Amino acid sequence: GAVVSQHPSRVICKSGTSVKIECRSLDFQATTMFWYRQFPKQSLMLMATSNEGSKATYEQGVEKDKFLINHASLTLSTLTVTSAHPEDSSFYICSARSGFQETQYFGPGTRLLVL
Amino acid sequence: AQKVTQAQTEISVVEKEDVTLDCVYETRDTTYYLFWYKQPPSGELVFLIRRNSFDEQNEISGRYSWNFQKSTSSFNFTITASQVVDSAVYFCALSEATLVFGKGTRLSVIA
Repeated sequence: GAVVSQHPSRVICKSGTSVKIECRSLDFQATTMFWYRQFPKQSLMLMATSNEGSKATYEQGVEKDKFLINHASLTLSTLTVTSAHPEDSSFYICSARSGFQETQYFGPGTRLLVL
Repeated sequence: AQKVTQAQTEISVVEKEDVTLDCVYETRDTTYYLFWYKQPPSGELVFLIRRNSFDEQNEISGRYSWNFQKSTSSFNFTITASQVVDSAVYFCALSEATLVFGKGTRLSVIA
């Protein structure tokens, strides 16, 4: 199957700092990448959809100025959590697919802890 | 509106037992895709299967099998002879432009 990587796998930061998470499709070109957030023992919540070369589409209730998404190439998307606060602590997972009808493959996730 | 319901929040079975995870979906579209993903304790979502709405054939892959019933809008997942390594949260999902996930079923297989 297709491989998606995420970096870092775990990050601890101080309140007020910004954190960047990278999502890479390693063996296919991802025309679309997705960012999800997952709280403990809950399902995945879609935050935004990003298509290569265009602005991300954010889900209702997700602050676009706080969660900056860049999808500059067909293999890389980044999520930057700006001015992080403790309530931003969560598990962030990205996924990627190569076409509209294709399967989404997920990265291993990033655990963010904001102190 | 699209919706995926996994009524079983948690299931515990003893190793070697068979277990079925239920999934019921709602959609108004005639073309759609259904998925199952496994999320072990490490957190990564592992793709298990994708089914399109026009293919109602059941599928078997080793100890895993899936039963797609369009008439009841269900896409159930059965693990035969369960093993401890099967312990995970399993998500059923429905796709059009984006994935709609169920709330997941936490399966614990006890040795």
